[in-house]
Amino acid sequence: EPEVTQTPSHQVTQMGQEVILRCVPISNHLYFYWYRQILGQKVEFLVSFYNNEISEKSEIFDDQFSVERPDGSNFTLKIRSTKLEDSAMYFCASSGQFRNQPQHFGDGTRLSIL
Amino acid sequence: EDQVTQSPEALRLQEGESSSLNCSYTVSGLRGLFWYRQDPGKGPEFLFTLYSAGEEKEKERLKATLTKKESFLHITAPKPEDSATYLCAVQAVRDTGNQFYFGTGTSLTVIP
Repeated sequence: EPEVTQTPSHQVTQMGQEVILRCVPISNHLYFYWYRQILGQKVEFLVSFYNNEISEKSEIFDDQFSVERPDGSNFTLKIRSTKLEDSAMYFCASSGQFRNQPQHFGDGTRLSIL
Repeated sequence: EDQVTQSPEALRLQEGESSSLNCSYTVSGLRGLFWYRQDPGKGPEFLFTLYSAGEEKEKERLKATLTKKESFLHITAPKPEDSATYLCAVQAVRDTGNQFYFGTGTSLTVIP
C-alpha cells in the first residue's frame, strides 16, 4: 500500500538555525499538509497546500515557516531561526483528488532544538 | 472557541469487553469529523470520516457515530491488537478556509 514517507526521522538543530523537513506524499495525491505535535499535547494543524500554493494555514504558521514543493515528489517544511519551543513531532499528510478525502500521515520527524 | 475534547484519557479493557470512546466538539462550520488510530512512534492512521449527524460507519470491530455535539467510537469485543491511541479531529470552515482541530486522544489498552 502506498505511504507517505518523511525524512529524517529525528533532527537535532541548534537554536537559531534553519531546518528543512522533507516529505514524499503518496504519488497521485493533490493535497498536502503539515501538522505538529508538541510532546504530550494535541496534534496541531499548520498548513495545507494545493496546486503549488498554500490553501489554508493556522495562526501557528507565521513568517518563520514556509512550505515548498520543489519537484514532482517532495514537499518540504522550512523553519527559519528555530526556537526551543519549535521542538515537536512534525507530521506530513496527503490526500487524494478532492479536499475532503482521508488524509494519510507519515510517521513524522522528531525535531529537537538545543 | 473551537474545542475538541476526548474522554476518557485512558481506558483499560479486558479482551472481549466492549466499550465506547467519546469525542465532543464545539466547532461551528463543521465540515467533517475524523477518527484516527495512532500507534507509538507512528503517524495517525485514518479510520473513519463522518459528515452529518446521524451518520454511522463501521469497520471490523469499530463503529463510529455522529450527533450534532459529539461522536462515539464503539469497540465491540476488542482484541489486544486494538491497543492504541484513538484520535478525533474535526474540519471546520473559516473565513480563511478549512481548519483542522484534534483532540488529545484516548489511550486504549486491551488486556488478554
